[in-house]
Amino acid sequence: EAGVAQSPRYKIIEKRQSVAFWCNPISGHATLYWYQQILGQGPKLLIQFQNNGVVDDSQLPKDRFSAERLKGVDSTLKIQPAKLEDSAVYLCASSPGRPGYEKLFFGSGTQLSVL
Amino acid sequence: QKEVEQDPGPLSVPEGAIVSLNCTYSNSAFQYFMWYRQYSRKGPELLMYTYSSGNKEDGRFTAQVDKSSKYISLFIRDSQPSDSATYLCAFNTNAGKSTFGDGTTLTVKP
Repeated sequence: EAGVAQSPRYKIIEKRQSVAFWCNPISGHATLYWYQQILGQGPKLLIQFQNNGVVDDSQLPKDRFSAERLKGVDSTLKIQPAKLEDSAVYLCASSPGRPGYEKLFFGSGTQLSVL
Repeated sequence: QKEVEQDPGPLSVPEGAIVSLNCTYSNSAFQYFMWYRQYSRKGPELLMYTYSSGNKEDGRFTAQVDKSSKYISLFIRDSQPSDSATYLCAFNTNAGKSTFGDGTTLTVKP
């Protein structure tokens, strides 16, 4: 079974620039998540999709972050404009979508450095 | 007050030692309790999952949950250098949203 694919693996940008991350979840997984993991901290949920609908985006800084999941499969997360404090690993995860027990399958993440 | 507090570490033990990793939580809505392992430059992977108080064993790993004290632990017996990683506790409500601890970094020295 192929895992969650993410690209790019690394990205370095200057503040105020824009950046986009891509995620391809495990085939058939209805639920897709984007997490932000700052060095030394646990993952923090940014947005959760169920198929192509948003379930939870309460922690997404909507003035600069946006995400979409086209046709309920791939997803992109965009930051525009980036700030220094956005430096983190952006993890995509997917799950089959069984309510209550969400075993998350994570990708390897995109490490973003904002200079 | 944070919903989840995890012993910060780092923890360094000799090979073969018993390791204890601990988290406390404050949200009574948490019904599912998980431990993830995260190797450097990788995403977390699920190690253990449980939803009731008591112990759950899987090989060298034992997850312990005490709902009355809002306390969970992960024990690793006969620790190996390959166990060196960051361990994250995680909690789910019935709505399915996962809340993670900040992780404990473990190093097992040969």
